[in-house]
Amino acid sequence: GAGVSQSPSNKVTEKGKDVELRCDPISGHTALYWYRQSLGQGLEFLIYFQGNSAPDKSGLPSDRFSAERTGGSVSTLTIQRTQQEDSAVYLCASSSRTGELTGELFFGEGSRLTVL
Amino acid sequence: TQLLEQSPQFLSIQEGENLTVYCNSSSVFSSLQWYRQEPGEGPVLLVTVVTGGEVKKLKRLTFQFGDARKDSSLHITAAQPGDTGLYLCKQGGKLIFGQGTELSVKP
Repeated sequence: GAGVSQSPSNKVTEKGKDVELRCDPISGHTALYWYRQSLGQGLEFLIYFQGNSAPDKSGLPSDRFSAERTGGSVSTLTIQRTQQEDSAVYLCASSSRTGELTGELFFGEGSRLTVL
Repeated sequence: TQLLEQSPQFLSIQEGENLTVYCNSSSVFSSLQWYRQEPGEGPVLLVTVVTGGEVKKLKRLTFQFGDARKDSSLHITAAQPGDTGLYLCKQGGKLIFGQGTELSVKP
């Protein structure tokens, strides 16, 4: 596609349920990032994939959060046993020039998660 | 982990005013990027600065990279309501963004 695509755009769930958020990066981009943005806040780094390398999971807030990237393309962020504090916008980005000083991140519009 | 401090955190001004927002670190940046995020959208890259002392202009926006490459500023001349959004800085090639400056320009 022309840009980074995320789905669903909005998700309302009940506390304790599991949710899956999907990201389809720009074709050919080797790097994929997940960030979380709470209301009125900046971006909190969650996880980063680069090609076939082991992902950088240093930003995941708890073991309830996990992500995978299949075939070097589509990524799924899974949140198990959701809590109210997980409510946020989850943003995915991709880039073609990872690690280079001038590499641009291209973001999707985000998935807004509300945990009741 | 290098921390990026942005200031001010919030800024509300009238159309036509000038403003400056800042991004600072205690460590040297290899390069610095500024992004703008409009409500309901993902951030979009505005500019990348690489060389200490570098100045780049994008219409009414002027970006400056400090000589020591530890700080950067974004100056907007004659702000317009369309400038409203969250302005974020990020070190090039790294994963962490600053906390952002939330700008509101009222007509």
